[in-house]
Amino acid sequence: GAVVSQHPSWVICKSGTSVKIECRSLDFQATTMFWYRQFPKQSLMLMATSNEGSKATYEQGVEKDKFLINHASLTLSTLTVTSAHPEDSSFYICSAEEDRGLYGYTFGSGTRLTVV
Amino acid sequence: RKEVEQDPGPFNVPEGATVAFNCTYSNSASQSFFWYRQDCRKEPKLLMSVYSSGNEDGRFTAQLNRASQYISLLIRDSKLSDSATYLCVVNPSGFKTIFGAGTRLFVKA
Repeated sequence: GAVVSQHPSWVICKSGTSVKIECRSLDFQATTMFWYRQFPKQSLMLMATSNEGSKATYEQGVEKDKFLINHASLTLSTLTVTSAHPEDSSFYICSAEEDRGLYGYTFGSGTRLTVV
Repeated sequence: RKEVEQDPGPFNVPEGATVAFNCTYSNSASQSFFWYRQDCRKEPKLLMSVYSSGNEDGRFTAQLNRASQYISLLIRDSKLSDSATYLCVVNPSGFKTIFGAGTRLFVKA
């Protein structure tokens, strides 16, 4: 089945530093990947849609310069949280679609970011 | 009105009980529907797709009502291991996937 690998699974960083999260589709190509954020006891919130070879599409209220997305190949998308602050501490999850809208979306295992 | 709405619960049920969740969606053009399960501090995992004819997988039954724009999930003979948050997911054709806020289920011995 479709497998999405996300790395790292957890990270602690100091305020002001940048953190890069990788999302890889291991056995399929993903033209489109999605990045979500989830705060405790809240639902997944879509941050942006990552498109291979083109600019990401950001949801309203998500700062493009804060959350840099790069989707340089059909199997890899990265999310970089720049100048992280404690309020950026959250659970970040990526997902990729194997077949558009028919077989569901496969999620990475998530990255728990703690900014201190 | 939210694009996808779910009763947040929590639903507290004893083992062996039957429990049902509903989820309503606002976009009548929606084409694909799914139920996902999310355990605490874990990523969501696909539980089952929801087809127009309804589908069943063991103790789980999913149904779609296009006229009333809702989908349902029925869990029979609840197990302790069924305790989780159940997410309703709707994918309007050509548009982004929409997640419901989730319904929390606690199954108790």
